[in-house]
Amino acid sequence: AQTVTQSQPEMSVQEAETVTLSCTYDTSESDYYLFWYKQPPSRQMILVIRQEAYKQQNATENRFSVNFQKAAKSFSLKISDSQLGDAAMYFCACYMTGKLIFGQGTTLQVKP
Amino acid sequence: EAGVAQSPRYKIIEKRQSVAFWCNPISGHATLYWYQQILGQGPKLLIQFQNNGVVDDSQLPKDRFSAERLKGVDSTLKIQPAKLEDSAVYLCASSFPGQETQYFGPGTRLLVL
Repeated sequence: AQTVTQSQPEMSVQEAETVTLSCTYDTSESDYYLFWYKQPPSRQMILVIRQEAYKQQNATENRFSVNFQKAAKSFSLKISDSQLGDAAMYFCACYMTGKLIFGQGTTLQVKP
Repeated sequence: EAGVAQSPRYKIIEKRQSVAFWCNPISGHATLYWYQQILGQGPKLLIQFQNNGVVDDSQLPKDRFSAERLKGVDSTLKIQPAKLEDSAVYLCASSFPGQETQYFGPGTRLLVL
């Protein structure tokens, strides 16, 4: 079965601190892509970062970086210097066999 | 570059009524997706189009849901008749053919009373 699991329903972080959101996935495919999307209360799904499975180097986008552990099928998102605007629901997703499969989401609260 | 457009943004209907949602993808994106997102869950694919043809509609409840993309550009998703459990956000996304990165519209929030 192709599944994506986010085991943290909610997380909180102090403004300017660092937080890591966890994600694991299950696939038998060798070629796939991993994503983190941010969904604020407006409900717009915004692409945060993507990772190609064939690349060993972890992707980075400004304050956002991932820790991709292919053997463990783990794909965590690290947010550095957290800002109030980072508060949202974060979804991990895996693109495999032509489909984008989403996890259940993690709600991130940022405390001032 | 304009993003994915959706309308309406909100809709409230009573059960057994019908409703339609519209989506216009990013220019040049031949692949279009409709997702259903129930509160507290991740989006679930309902249907995928490649130009005006259906690629995958295995998760579409065909007894009440229908979708079309007649000219291969914008698309309409219809529910008839609506049930209480159809209350959700309906997200439209688009991508270049064969590309893995999907771009999402703002969604339509449907409430069925």
